[in-house]
Amino acid sequence: ILNVEQSPQSLHVQEGDSTNFTCSFPSSNFYALHWYRWETAKSPEALFVMTLNGDEKKKGRISATLNTKEGYSYLYIKGSQPEDSATYLCAFAHDYKLSFGAGTTVTVRA
Amino acid sequence: KAGVTQTPRYLIKTRGQQVTLSCSPISGHRSVSWYQQTPGQGLQFLFEYFSETQRNKGNFPGRFSGRQFSNSRSEMNVSTLELGDSALYLCASSLSPKTSGRASNEQFFGPGTRLTVL
Repeated sequence: ILNVEQSPQSLHVQEGDSTNFTCSFPSSNFYALHWYRWETAKSPEALFVMTLNGDEKKKGRISATLNTKEGYSYLYIKGSQPEDSATYLCAFAHDYKLSFGAGTTVTVRA
Repeated sequence: KAGVTQTPRYLIKTRGQQVTLSCSPISGHRSVSWYQQTPGQGLQFLFEYFSETQRNKGNFPGRFSGRQFSNSRSEMNVSTLELGDSALYLCASSLSPKTSGRASNEQFFGPGTRLTVL
C-alpha cells in the first residue's frame, strides 16, 4: 500500500494572504504526481501533472513544485481569494492508477 | 466537448441487493478509472480499464467488479451490498497511453453517484 500524505489536513486563510501545503509520496519508482482541486458539490478538477524532478508549474495564482528525490511536492496559493476555498488533493501515479492523499481543505475567509 | 457523465446520480438500496453504476468517458478517452469516497477517507482506487481490459484493481472485495465496453463506456457492479458500501463513487477518464503505467495524463472526473445502503 502506497503512502501519500498531505499536511496540514485543513487550514484557514485570510483573503489576500498566501499559503502553501505539502504532499509527500514514495521517492522510489516515481512516475508522476498529480494535483487536483475539489470544490464542494463539484467534481475534482486537475490542476497540475508533474513528472520531472525540479518541475515548477503555475496556473494563475496557484503554483506547485516537485522534489522527486526526497518525495515531496508543495502547492502554493498566492493572494488567496474566497473562490480558492476547496479541498486540494495530490495523487501519486503508478501501475495504471492514482493513489490519493486525504487532501488539504482550504477555507478562505473574506 | 461533453464531460464525463455518470448515471444514476443518486441511488438508495438495501443490504443484500446489488447495484450497477454507469460511466461514459469523454469522447476519445480509452482509460476509465473508478474511485470510492467514504466519509473521512480519501479517494480509494477501485479499478482501471483500458480497451475493455482491466489493468489494475484496488484492494476491494470480489463483490466489486467492473467492465468496459468497446465504446469505452464502463460499468461497475457491487453485489450483496453492505452498509459500509454507502459512498460517493466517482469515475474518471483520461488519454492514458496504451502500454505505459505512468498515468501521467490528467484524469477528468464525472459528477459521481451517491449510493446509500439502508
